[in-house]
Amino acid sequence: DTEVTQTPKHLVMGMTNKKSLKCEQHMGHRAMYWYKQKAKKPPELMFVYSYEKLSINESVPSRFSPECPNSSLLNLHLHALQPEDSALYLCASSRGGLAGDSTDTQYFGPGTRLTVL
Amino acid sequence: DAKTTQPNSMESNEEEPVHLPCNHSTISGTDYIHWYRQLPSQGPEYVIHGLTSNVNNRMASLAIAEDRKSSTLILHRATLRDAAVYYCILRGPMSGGSNYKLTFGKGTLLTVNP
Repeated sequence: DTEVTQTPKHLVMGMTNKKSLKCEQHMGHRAMYWYKQKAKKPPELMFVYSYEKLSINESVPSRFSPECPNSSLLNLHLHALQPEDSALYLCASSRGGLAGDSTDTQYFGPGTRLTVL
Repeated sequence: DAKTTQPNSMESNEEEPVHLPCNHSTISGTDYIHWYRQLPSQGPEYVIHGLTSNVNNRMASLAIAEDRKSSTLILHRATLRDAAVYYCILRGPMSGGSNYKLTFGKGTLLTVNP
């Protein structure tokens, strides 16, 4: 099973709402990632978890709060977002942790399309 | 960061071969060349990777120039389901300073005509 699942598929939220995105993989991968993709742009890395610890934060605003409750699950908590945060949020995983080599494949989920009103 | 340059778009006919070029003139000796593609309304998916030698898998072939300053992704018989954005990405210790990072460029939008 090489599947990364993400829920929900679509999310509409107001600027004062709190919501969470969920990502799950059962491949035994030790690294998990959040990417953000604006319309007609390439994905951009937000966070990396390696062995359930936050290892990389690509200067993401604090209104995005990642969480890795266990090795299979990754959440992204959203609070006080702005309309410009509307985007496709992609989760990915890879076998190795941060020490994984340059051949490590990343497996992506289908994404959550977020609209902030 | 080592960068890649790809055409913005390419067009192909169904069941014909497609050659997608990528230039990476500043590639370092330890950089791997990866290709991912993103079908409409989906997350990116891995296609193939290589270091120096040409590579084949069930999805595609990767031809790497002898000086490694360019590479070509080859889809042997394009189908409508191959219509996607194709990203050429360099990965290695010298590409952004770490092995883990996938730094996506703009990619090539491939259109496949029936």
